[in-house]
Amino acid sequence: AQRVTQPEKLLSVFKGAPVELKCNYSYSGSPELFWYVQYSRQRLQLLLRHISRESIKGFTADLNKGETSFHLKKPFAQEEDSAMYYCALGSYNFNKFYFGSGTKLNVKP
Amino acid sequence: GAGVSQSPSNKVTEKGKDVELRCDPISGHTALYWYRQRLGQGLEFLIYFQGNSAPDKSGLPSDRFSAERTGESVSTLTIQRTQQEDSAVYLCASSADRVGDTQYFGPGTRLTVL
Repeated sequence: AQRVTQPEKLLSVFKGAPVELKCNYSYSGSPELFWYVQYSRQRLQLLLRHISRESIKGFTADLNKGETSFHLKKPFAQEEDSAMYYCALGSYNFNKFYFGSGTKLNVKP
Repeated sequence: GAGVSQSPSNKVTEKGKDVELRCDPISGHTALYWYRQRLGQGLEFLIYFQGNSAPDKSGLPSDRFSAERTGESVSTLTIQRTQQEDSAVYLCASSADRVGDTQYFGPGTRLTVL
């Protein structure tokens, strides 16, 4: 079965502190992993995808196939990073898409 | 340009009634997705449409749920004989092509079954 796990429902950090949002997955093929974000009163939107190997808004995520993880990291959190973050997995073999349960990031001033 | 739109934005219905939710994808997007999000939970994948291919309906929660899409345009999600556990936000998204392309989400329809 394909699954995405985000173990933390809520993560609170102070502005300027490093942040890591955890994501683990199980998939019996070559996964494509994503992070989506939902800011307050906005629509869910793509933050980044592993195949792009890009940094968006200072966030990066590395796919670790050995640990089946795709953790989202930022060295210095900003208040505007406060949002709901969802890790997601695309399954091309089965034409399905799986989201984790989400982590609410609260960056305190 | 216009994004994904959904209607209605809110729907309150009585248990046992049928409801129809509508999604208008971004023009030109061949892929369309439906998700359900219960309060405090993540997004639950329901169904995916790609072009004119027949969708895999195995993600639909029960046979009370059905979804249709005409070509590469509007899609409707129908829930028959609604139950209280159907109460949720129903999200629609579209992407340019295959599953895994960037998905653009609509604002959702909040369904409340009394």
